[in-house]
Amino acid sequence: GEDVEQSLFLSVREGDSSVINCTYTDSSSTYLYWYKQEPGAGLQLLTYIFSNMDMKQDQRLTVLLNKKDKHLSLRIADTQTGDSAIYFCAESSARQLTFGSGTQLTVLP
Amino acid sequence: NAGVTQTPKFQVLKTGQSMTLQCAQDMNHNSMYWYRQDPGMGLRLIYYSASEGTTDKGEVPNGYNVSRLNKREFSLRLESAAPSQTSVYFCASYSGANTGELFFGEGSRLTVL
Repeated sequence: GEDVEQSLFLSVREGDSSVINCTYTDSSSTYLYWYKQEPGAGLQLLTYIFSNMDMKQDQRLTVLLNKKDKHLSLRIADTQTGDSAIYFCAESSARQLTFGSGTQLTVLP
Repeated sequence: NAGVTQTPKFQVLKTGQSMTLQCAQDMNHNSMYWYRQDPGMGLRLIYYSASEGTTDKGEVPNGYNVSRLNKREFSLRLESAAPSQTSVYFCASYSGANTGELFFGEGSRLTVL
């Protein structure tokens, strides 16, 4: 079955870049996603990348996709305290999304 | 814009009690989902409904039942709650193949004593 893996924790200093990594197993995934969850809230779509793309940039966010290695990363430039949250990687298969365990990003002053 | 609405937001049950979590979406989406979120385990799919009148099991369906009452509403029922079902439950609806975005409710925190 599909499996998505992420490290559980990441701490960075305010103003630094954050890089959150993810590996997935389903090579037929059409889209790969990054969702953000703030405390006490549901998940919100942050960005996504189509599987035939290598990179997508959206303001402070850069998504890199290495399809050969089934590796996805999310880079947040100039990380702010408001970026502190849990970030979930997800891959699509049929009508389902399979989520990783989430990476808790803590931004230190 | 309401999006996806779940009720209740919090519930405490005793082992063996039953309850239903309600979910409604106002985006005219065909597909709806129920996930549970547990620390260190991400979101696990309990059941989903690809369209009105259909439901399918996800990764962890045991102990749960669902009803897709109409296009808007998708409920999750625990017939005999167990402590292992203590979790945060999220309902979501799917925007379709163009962007494949899931829209989530705010979650229902369930504690089973």
